[in-house]
Amino acid sequence: GENVEQHPSTLSVQEGDSAVIKCTYSDSASNYFPWYKQELGKGPQLIIDIRSNVGEKKDQRIAVTLNKTAKHFSLHITETQPEDSAVYFCAASTKNRDDKIIFGKGTRLHILP
Amino acid sequence: GAVVSQHPSWVICKSGTSVKIECRSLDFQATTMFWYRQFPKQSLMLMATSNEGSKATYEQGVEKDKFLINHASLTLSTLTVTSAHPEDSSFYICSARDTQGEQFFGPGTRLTVL
Repeated sequence: GENVEQHPSTLSVQEGDSAVIKCTYSDSASNYFPWYKQELGKGPQLIIDIRSNVGEKKDQRIAVTLNKTAKHFSLHITETQPEDSAVYFCAASTKNRDDKIIFGKGTRLHILP
Repeated sequence: GAVVSQHPSWVICKSGTSVKIECRSLDFQATTMFWYRQFPKQSLMLMATSNEGSKATYEQGVEKDKFLINHASLTLSTLTVTSAHPEDSSFYICSARDTQGEQFFGPGTRLTVL
């Protein structure tokens, strides 16, 4: 089955700086890669996603890149703000097959004042 | 966007009792719902896939007789933790898939077994 690795497990960045979280996946059939933000005591919230036919996607301060050959994908947050502090999960899924979403272990992002 | 609710948001029960958690898609129909478990400071682990009108499919290592799943309608799936023990204490999260294949997550239910 699919295995998603995520690094780093913890990340502290100065407010205003950029944060990068990296993930790898194992199943070459995976074709959908969502990123979730989870705040304490809440369910995960989708913040951005990318499909395997696209190499990069951007939404304001958030961007994702995907390298299908290397099975790598990354989340980039620019101009970080205090409200970006949370746990971020990458995930991989095979749409139109079983649609199971397999999560990485998560990255706890701290934005330092 | 689509909304998924869970009830209750938290529950405390005694060891040996059973607890039912509801997952509802409020403004769309969901033929498939997924149940996850999340222990503190860990990731979400898929427990089972719930299909409307049929038996749930459980992930390896998840006891189907302990975690009973019922998906009786297109907007409701229930997870019953039977004979709960302290090690079942966790954050249980559901997601619902709409007809476009998009998944939406619920807010989670925190279960504490004393």
